[in-house]
Amino acid sequence: AAGVIQSPRHLIKEKRETATLKCYPIPRHDTVYWYQQGPGQDPQFLISFYEKMQSDKGSIPDRFSAQQFSDYHSELNMSSLELGDSALYFCASSQGTSGKGEQYFGPGTRLTVT
Amino acid sequence: KQEVTQIPAALSVPEGENLVLNCSFTDSAIYNLQWFRQDPGKGLTSLLLIQSSQREQTSGRLNASLDKSSGRSTLYIAASQPGDSATYLCAVSREPGAGSYQLTFGKGTKLSVIP
Repeated sequence: AAGVIQSPRHLIKEKRETATLKCYPIPRHDTVYWYQQGPGQDPQFLISFYEKMQSDKGSIPDRFSAQQFSDYHSELNMSSLELGDSALYFCASSQGTSGKGEQYFGPGTRLTVT
Repeated sequence: KQEVTQIPAALSVPEGENLVLNCSFTDSAIYNLQWFRQDPGKGLTSLLLIQSSQREQTSGRLNASLDKSSGRSTLYIAASQPGDSATYLCAVSREPGAGSYQLTFGKGTKLSVIP
């Protein structure tokens, strides 16, 4: 069965650089979530999109932005990177209000900021 | 603000033992609860999802229960195996707004099954 795809899997950036993370949801899933998991921490919700519109916002820094495109893939753009942004970034998808809300997670993108 | 607590933080058991992982949450207005498994540095694998109207769900050697009114869930693992060693995360979603079921996670229970 198709799963959530994230790219790249690993990314190394320097402070103050920018990064773009991509997420391709499971086919026919209309909702995408982004989570950040710092070292030894639990995942924290950043932002979500439903039918290409932002549906909810969590603890996402102003330096970060995201969008969902017409094909339902999503991109998380991160600017002015800081050392503290080093983390695993997960994307999850679900079937929005028509499903049970079960979220399926991608393998994550490991971002290292040096 | 929803808070999710998992006890114990770590657990070590001999192979073959049955075990219970606990999860509690402060706000009972949840939509569903998911249990995940995470191997070191890896992604999250969904194990079980319990809707707020359900009491339990079973999958193979796993059984999860939910007591929404008391804000508790348990994950029961029968006949544990070394391959079960991982961190188990409990997460709850709130009543949806505009199609969003954002999850609030606990800090997890790190399970080690000793051969």
